[in-house]
Formats: sequence, structure tokens, C-alpha cells
Amino acid sequence: DTGVSQDPRHKITKRGQNVTFRCDPISEHNRLYWYRQTLGQGPEFLTYFQNEAQLEKSRLLSDRFSAERPKGSFSTLEIQRTEQGDSAMYLCASSLEVVYEQYFGPGTRLTVT
Amino acid sequence: AQRVTQPEKLLSVFKGAPVELKCNYSYSGSPELFWYVQYSRQRLQLLLRHISRESIKGFTADLNKGETSFHLKKPFAQEEDSAMYYCALKGDQGAQKLVFGQGTRLTINP
Repeated sequence: DTGVSQDPRHKITKRGQNVTFRCDPISEHNRLYWYRQTLGQGPEFLTYFQNEAQLEKSRLLSDRFSAERPKGSFSTLEIQRTEQGDSAMYLCASSLEVVYEQYFGPGTRLTVT
Repeated sequence: AQRVTQPEKLLSVFKGAPVELKCNYSYSGSPELFWYVQYSRQRLQLLLRHISRESIKGFTADLNKGETSFHLKKPFAQEEDSAMYYCALKGDQGAQKLVFGQGTRLTINP
């Protein structure tokens, strides 16, 4: 499968713990996006990278959230001191710069107990 | 501010009947509009975008700037069209994010 991959697919954690998710984009895609989706809602934008540069961040991305894309390939999204409100599906997408079609991964479902 | 509204959370039609999924947007500039679809147990995927003016799987959508709408239509629904549909908007002023509506779950009854 040469599509966007995400790991893990499911994560259950206790409130207050830190979690990290990984996204591997389609190999030639230089743009990478993170979204969050809660039940009954559409995806909400969190942040976006062009190569290794983080160019846009949503106000949804509180200080407890940090994202990196160190070599312009895979990306990680870390949530520190998780809260129950962080329970959601975290989606990653990638695209080429010149063709604006975002390809989505399967998502990581986070449950904070 | 960018906003996308899909007024119907659920839509149920019979096979062979016409389908229209509504999408209205709020944006002061010149947006790009998209429809994404998520079939059961599959990932979100692009169905169509207004600038390409294609018909995909029999679906079409026309951008109406006067009514700020981008409704998705299909003349004859098929059972395999049952899925979750999301309308999304991208602004024209440098921002690369997509703003999604809350989605419409379409069920095609046999």
C-alpha cells in the first residue's frame, strides 16, 4: 500500500499521560496536514507542513500539542497531559504542492479514560 | 471566517431516485470547493472538486457563487453510493487548510 499510513490505529490512554502519533505521507508529497475529527463532526484542521517547515497552526492546537516533521518525510503529533476532551480521531493527509488534492490516512483513534 | 454548512446530517433515498446533498459556504474571497466521501471502513477520499468540473461516479456539483452553494447531485442513486459525504472549502489567500462541513450520511435503500 503506497498511501498515507498512520500508527498506531488505536490508542487508549489515561488522563494526564503523553501520547505520540506517527504519519507517513505518500513519498513524493511535500505537504503534510493534521486534522482532528470528533463524533458527528467533519475533520478540523490542526496544522500543516511544507517539507520540514510548519507553516500554519490552528488555534485548536493548544500548548499541549506539538507536531514535527524533522526531515520533511514522516511527521509526529504529540499530545502532552492528555485530557478527556482530546478523545478523537486524528487524521493525517498529504499532497503535492502543485496539485492540491489531499490524500488521507486511516486515522488514529485516541481514547482518553 | 471560512465556514461550511451541510444542513442534513442524514439523507435516505431509494435506489434509482435522484440525490442532492446540500452544501453552503461562507467566505469573502474566491474559494475552491470539494466533496470528499468516506465509504464504510475506508479512509476519506476526494470525490470531486469544482475547478475540474468532472463527473465522478455519476455525481456532479456546480459552484453557485450567488447562493454560496456547492450542492452534490446524482440523477439515479445506486446502493454503493451509501456513505458519509463531506463538503470542504479551501480559501484563496495563502491558507492551505481545508474547512469541512459536518457531513451528511447518505443511505440508499433497495
